[in-house]
Amino acid sequence: EDQVTQSPEALRLQEGESSSLNCSYTVSGLRGLFWYRQDPGKGPEFLFTLYSAGEEKEKERLKATLTKKESFLHITAPKPEDSATYLCAVQAAQGGSEKLVFGKGTKLTVNP
Amino acid sequence: SQTIHQWPATLVQPVGSPLSLECTVEGTSNPNLYWYRQAAGRGLQLLFYSVGIGQISSEVPQNLSASRPQDRQFILSSKKLLLSDSGFYLCAWRWWGAGTNEKLFFGSGTQLSVL
Repeated sequence: EDQVTQSPEALRLQEGESSSLNCSYTVSGLRGLFWYRQDPGKGPEFLFTLYSAGEEKEKERLKATLTKKESFLHITAPKPEDSATYLCAVQAAQGGSEKLVFGKGTKLTVNP
Repeated sequence: SQTIHQWPATLVQPVGSPLSLECTVEGTSNPNLYWYRQAAGRGLQLLFYSVGIGQISSEVPQNLSASRPQDRQFILSSKKLLLSDSGFYLCAWRWWGAGTNEKLFFGSGTQLSVL
């Protein structure tokens, strides 16, 4: 069964204090790994799609990386507006290709 | 540009009452559409998806059903709600993009409380 585990569950940072969020996955052939940002009471907002080990993508203070077993979301010099829950999801290459399996998320709080 | 509309934003329903949540997409044709549920302390769970009018695939057995009466309309329904149906319901559509830019766009969600 495809699984996604995100750690830590919650993370508190001071403004400017860089850190990384982890997404470990087990999937029968990876078609894609997705990162989303979700604010309270809102739908997830797309950040990145990664397809193969070694791939990296960047957007402002965020950088996502992918290995064969996990993905990291690096946050450089975060600001209070980066506070949100970050979700990771995987899509298997085999079987039902429509299904994304999501982790429970990491709740990030950035204090000024 | 493409947009996705979902309503209502919040809903409080008694146990045993019916449910109808609607989702519409603008700016695209023949989209793949999805219903996800997010329960407290759990990850998003895929409930239904549709690749075309009248085509519905169910991922999780439950007392919910979905329908797609028009190309860009997706409806989630229940004849009798259970307490366990409470949660945050999200509609989404898949954008294939160019190259490696595939993504799911989500609506703003409906917070359903069954009392």
